[in-house]
Amino acid sequence: DAKTTQPPSMDCAEGRAANLPCNHSTISGNEYVYWYRQIHSQGPQYIIHGLKNNETNEMASLIITEDRKSSTLILPHATLRDTAVYYCIVRLQRSGSARQLTFGSGTQLTVLP
Amino acid sequence: GAVVSQHPSWVICKSGTSVKIECRSLDFQATTMFWYRQFPKQSLMLMATSNEGSKATYEQGVEKDKFLINHASLTLSTLTVTSAHPEDSSFYICSARVSGGEKLFFGSGTQLSVL
Repeated sequence: DAKTTQPPSMDCAEGRAANLPCNHSTISGNEYVYWYRQIHSQGPQYIIHGLKNNETNEMASLIITEDRKSSTLILPHATLRDTAVYYCIVRLQRSGSARQLTFGSGTQLTVLP
Repeated sequence: GAVVSQHPSWVICKSGTSVKIECRSLDFQATTMFWYRQFPKQSLMLMATSNEGSKATYEQGVEKDKFLINHASLTLSTLTVTSAHPEDSSFYICSARVSGGEKLFFGSGTQLSVL
């Protein structure tokens, strides 16, 4: 799986959009970008994933650059409950695969009141 | 989404005792479950892959005789920390994937404190 690089920490004002960057310059053509988050003392929570097109769901939007070497997770209206460590993970997707997720150090997002 | 239930949420035990942690997939069958460990201010580290009906696969550096994994059914995997010592104090998290699905779902974690 390709290695990812994320800033160790970011702050965001409550109600504003939080934009979390991730670099994955060695990503291969069939690797997906996944985002999970971990609120303190809880298990990770799935947010979103994508291959090359931008994706949006009820939690967030995922913007992947055209060359796929970086992506940005956008939380459109951050709340205090979005304070968490956000992990960007690149993973090869295979049907029926039982492969695990490999977590990096992630970005500690702190939403400020 | 699919729910993974992990129990207990926290446990305190004396050094030398064994502790069992359960991981259940509540509304789906999980052929494979994963066990992670997380020390304070660090990321999750995979310990082992648990396969239903067969032996678990352990990551390098993880003692299989100390961390016993049993995956007897498609909805339950257990991790037993045998003869626990203070250095085993950690946050243990399980995860599971819906068969044929893409996403991994995680339990809420178990904080183990060994005195």
